[in-house]
Amino acid sequence: AQSVTQPDIHITVSEGASLELRCNYSYGATPYLFWYVQSPGQGLQLLLKYFSGDTLVQGIKGFEAEFKRSQSSFNLRKPSVHWSDAAEYFCAVGTTSGGYQKVTFGIGTKLQVIP
Amino acid sequence: DSGVTQTPKHLITATGQRVTLRCSPRSGDLSVYWYQQSLDQGLQFLIQYYNGEERAKGNILERFSAQQFPDLHSELNLSSLELGDSALYFCASSHGSGGTTNEQFFGPGTRLTVL
Repeated sequence: AQSVTQPDIHITVSEGASLELRCNYSYGATPYLFWYVQSPGQGLQLLLKYFSGDTLVQGIKGFEAEFKRSQSSFNLRKPSVHWSDAAEYFCAVGTTSGGYQKVTFGIGTKLQVIP
Repeated sequence: DSGVTQTPKHLITATGQRVTLRCSPRSGDLSVYWYQQSLDQGLQFLIQYYNGEERAKGNILERFSAQQFPDLHSELNLSSLELGDSALYFCASSHGSGGTTNEQFFGPGTRLTVL
């Protein structure tokens, strides 16, 4: 069975600083990987996804993530954080079985941005 | 705006009661997924429907049931409610049955409070 680990429950960064949110997954084959963001009181919005190909994936809002098979990781990065990036970030792994997709979400990382 | 709508936004009810949550997927999406998000359990997959048929089951309690109608909207029925059922319930939709390139688009959620 697949699983996702987000080791950091809460991260605080200063506005303008760089950001890296960690995500490790467990799955026997190459999974589909996603990062979602959830602003307070909102649903989840897809930031980016990796299915195959280039291991460095660009997403919306200036985010990128890099798939590293050897480390089973899919860390999310942003070079300069804005106050509006304060939200909860979820890494997810998707697999297909029997023609349907199963997506497992990590516990989430809450990002606080300080001025 | 993801295009996925959920009603109601908020629901307050008492233990032992039954409620119905409603979801309308994005236009053209055939799959609907239901998730429960609580503080202690994170985001948990409940169930998936594809074009009216159940496709996958996650951690859904026997007291909960769902269906997808011919017009593709879906309802999640929660019965014999307990305090622990208080949570945010999200609906998501995707185009296919969950194949290789389908990302899920999330609705804004229904916040259920059981008193």
